[in-house]
Amino acid sequence: GQNIDQPTEMTATEGAIVQINCTYQTSGFNGLFWYQQHAGEAPTFLSYNVLDGLEEKGRFSSFLSRSKGYSYLLLKELQMKDSASYLCAVRDSNYQLIWGAGTKLIIKP
Amino acid sequence: GAGVSQSPSNKVTEKGKDVELRCDPISGHTALYWYRQSLGQGLEFLIYFQGNSAPDKSGLPSDRFSAERTGGSVSTLTIQRTQQEDSAVYLCASSLASPLYEQYFGPGTRLTVT
Repeated sequence: GQNIDQPTEMTATEGAIVQINCTYQTSGFNGLFWYQQHAGEAPTFLSYNVLDGLEEKGRFSSFLSRSKGYSYLLLKELQMKDSASYLCAVRDSNYQLIWGAGTKLIIKP
Repeated sequence: GAGVSQSPSNKVTEKGKDVELRCDPISGHTALYWYRQSLGQGLEFLIYFQGNSAPDKSGLPSDRFSAERTGGSVSTLTIQRTQQEDSAVYLCASSLASPLYEQYFGPGTRLTVT
C-alpha cells in the first residue's frame, strides 16, 4: 500500500527554527508537495520538490531525497501566524496525490 | 481574481437524507478534485475531473456517492442516504490542466449527519 508518515504534532518557540519531516512509500514518484492549513481553512500551497535537494522560498525551505523517500519542511524565524497544520503529499505513478495526515505545529511565545 | 468557492459552508442533515454539495472552480481551471477530510485526518481523494474526459471515480467510498461536472465548470457532489460516518469536511480543489499543477482549494463544506 501507499503511505505518507508525518509527526502528528510539534511545538516550537516564536523566532526559532522547526523541521517537519515526511517519509513516504508510494507506487512511483512524480513530485512532493507541502501545503499549509490553518484551522477551519482550506489548504494553501507552500512548495513543490521533484528533484533531490533544497528549495528555498523566504522563511520556508523544503528538502527532498528520493532515494530515502524523505522530505522535510524547514520554517525559520517562526511567527505566531505559522501555527497551522502542514500537509505532505506525494504524486504517484498515476499522477494521483497521496496525502499525509498532517503535522499540527503549535508556536509558543 | 476569485478563488474556488463552495456551498454551503455548513450542512447539518439527518441520517438517511440526500445532500448536494457545490463547487465553483477557478475560471480556466480544467481539473477539479473532491476530497474528504475527517477531524485530525489527511485528505481522502474522492473523484477527479479533467476537461471532457471520463472522471476518475476510484476514491468514491460507496455507490451512495456520485459527482458530476456540468459544462466543464461547476461540480456537484451528491451523497445519498447519508450515514453518520459521512460527517466530514468536503474540500474541492481546482488546477490548470492535469495533476502536474498545484491545486487551489475551496473553503470546504462541513457536513454533519445526525
